[in-house]
Amino acid sequence: ETGVTQSPTHLIKTRGQQVTLRCSSQSGHNTVSWYQQALGQGPQFIFQYYREEENGRGNFPPRFSGLQFPNYSSELNVNALELDDSALYLCASSLTTGTYEQYFGPGTRLTVT
Amino acid sequence: GENVEQHPSTLSVQEGDSAVIKCTYSDSASNYFPWYKQELGKGPQLIIDIRSNVGEKKDQRIAVTLNKTAKHFSLHITETQPEDSAVYFCAAHISGNTPLVFGKGTRLSVIA
Repeated sequence: ETGVTQSPTHLIKTRGQQVTLRCSSQSGHNTVSWYQQALGQGPQFIFQYYREEENGRGNFPPRFSGLQFPNYSSELNVNALELDDSALYLCASSLTTGTYEQYFGPGTRLTVT
Repeated sequence: GENVEQHPSTLSVQEGDSAVIKCTYSDSASNYFPWYKQELGKGPQLIIDIRSNVGEKKDQRIAVTLNKTAKHFSLHITETQPEDSAVYFCAAHISGNTPLVFGKGTRLSVIA
């Protein structure tokens, strides 16, 4: 186990709704990255947070947003949900920005109907 | 941007045999190459990694090789066991401030 926790485990939402996913990073890690993993695909980078600031973003629209808190935990918010947002959402923590090793949590399975 | 290709997409081996998964990357600036194992219902688990200043790294039954000239790297699992059955992902990383770019995964089945 990596020490990275995510909640909830599963979530079902309706198209157009909003969702918030949560992540607690491994002890001592101050950087959190979020990834979207569609079925049968590798994880795709959404964005990274370091010291409560967004520190890099992948090719995702602005309706994907995030927060990082002083204790380094993080949230991923998705507005105006679309059917294609159905995926496993993973957060990964690393010791600090600039370090390579990333450790993933178990993910949140989001289903949009 | 970086692109990572992974082959094969599925691999079946008999217990005790070796398994090899291959990846190629496009950006010569990439210098860190981790491998992740993902079991059903779980997040990816880092199992081994290699940096560009090293050609090979071993950890018990697992080894990774890197050919920077050809821009490819491989995962080798020897003496496979049923518990090795999972989806394996390779990834490439240019620097700590850039995201991991993943391959599409290889589903490994070890048949007892």
